[in-house]
Amino acid sequence: QSVLTQPPSASGTPGQRVTISCSGSSSNIGSKTVNWYQQLPGTAPTLLIYSNTQRPSGVPDRFSGSKSGTSASLAISGLQSEDEADYYCAAWDDSLNGVVFGGGTKLTVL
Amino acid sequence: EVQLVESGGGVVQPGGSLRLSCAGSGFTFADYGMHWLRQAPGKGLEWVSLISGDGGTTYYAHSVRGRFTISRDNSKNSLYLQMHSLRTEDSALYYCAIDIRGIELWGQGTLVTVSS
Repeated sequence: QSVLTQPPSASGTPGQRVTISCSGSSSNIGSKTVNWYQQLPGTAPTLLIYSNTQRPSGVPDRFSGSKSGTSASLAISGLQSEDEADYYCAAWDDSLNGVVFGGGTKLTVL
Repeated sequence: EVQLVESGGGVVQPGGSLRLSCAGSGFTFADYGMHWLRQAPGKGLEWVSLISGDGGTTYYAHSVRGRFTISRDNSKNSLYLQMHSLRTEDSALYYCAIDIRGIELWGQGTLVTVSS
C-alpha cells in the first residue's frame, strides 16, 4: 500500500482533458513539493512536473500540475494516443525521511 | 549528454548478497545527490535510498534499512548499492537516478532476481 494515493486507472478520448489525483498527508504533500513522472511501456520513468507546477524543458504545455493542501493533481489536456502511460506522483516525507510514491495511474486513451 | 548506466544485477538465492553499480557521465557527479529506486515486475515505483553529493548523508526506505548500504566514489563517478540478506520481495528492476529537482534523470535499470 502506497503512502500517496492515486486512482489505479484513468481514461479519455483524443482531445479530451483528464486529471489524475494524488492524495497524501501533512508530512509529505502538505509540506513538500510534488513531482510527477511518466513511464511509457517498457521504459524508465521521466520527470513530467517538478515543484508542483513546473515543466522541464521539452514537456508539452498540455501537461500541468497543481497542489492544494495535502493533495496534488496532474492534468493532461488535448489528450493524444502517445500519452498512454503510467503516471506517478512523488514527494519527500518528513516522517519517513524518504521519498514516497503514489501507486501509479494507468492512463488509457480510448 | 547525461548518462546513467546501472550494472551488477543477476539471480541470487534468498539470503544472498549482490552489489549494484551505477556509472554517471555528462555531469559533475559530485555535485548531485543520487538515488536508488526499484520496480518489481508489473508493480509501481519504490524509492530505496538516497546519498548526498559528498556521500556524508544517507537515507533508506524502511524496507531495506539494515540490509542495504548506499555509497559512492566521486573519483570514479560511480554510485553503489550493496545488498545483503536478500529476500524474494527484493526482486525488481533497480534504477539509479540524479537528484536535481527531486528525482530527475533515471538510468535504464538492472534486474535483480531473488530466487531459489
